[in-house]
Amino acid sequence: GQNIDQPTEMTATEGAIVQINCTYQTSGFNGLFWYQQHAGEAPTFLSYNVLDGLEEKGRFSSFLSRSKGYSYLLLKELQMKDSASYLCAVMDSNYQLIWGAGTKLIIKP
Amino acid sequence: DADVTQTPRNRITKTGKRIMLECSQTKGHDRMYWYRQDPGLGLRLIYYSFDVKDINKGEISDGYSVSRQAQAKFSLSLESAIPNQTALYFCATTSGLAETDTQYFGPGTRLTVL
Repeated sequence: GQNIDQPTEMTATEGAIVQINCTYQTSGFNGLFWYQQHAGEAPTFLSYNVLDGLEEKGRFSSFLSRSKGYSYLLLKELQMKDSASYLCAVMDSNYQLIWGAGTKLIIKP
Repeated sequence: DADVTQTPRNRITKTGKRIMLECSQTKGHDRMYWYRQDPGLGLRLIYYSFDVKDINKGEISDGYSVSRQAQAKFSLSLESAIPNQTALYFCATTSGLAETDTQYFGPGTRLTVL
């Protein structure tokens, strides 16, 4: 079966750095997405990786290793507004998105 | 105005009732999706449509039906609601023009079945 694993919850301090990991086993691979979802709101797109390596976008970076079935989202200079759930999703060989359950990130002052 | 809208935003109903959730988009996208989200389970695909004449079942279509009335409108129906259909429902759209295509989500409908 297809499976995406992320930690359920993480806690970090304002101003610090946090890394949210995602491992996946899917039928084929056509890219990996990260979305941010604030409580009670819709997910919004953060990043996309299809080749190995690091993609940087401001305070957020996303890394992919296809051989290891592994990705991480790195958030720097954490702000209180970064408190949200972070969803990892993989596009499989049929171009369908398989979603992880999400990681709830709690930022403390 | 929001690009993807959903109505109603909240709904409480009773077991056995027929419910329709509506989704409209102004992005001009051909592809539309219905998901449900449950705590600890992530988003699960119910149905999707790549154009007006195309309807496909997703991972969890049992107990649901859909109608693509126009490019901009995609409705989800629960013919006879049951309590385990209590969830947060999202509609989403993509242009389908590239593999990198991101999904644009509506604000969600919180459905409670008593």
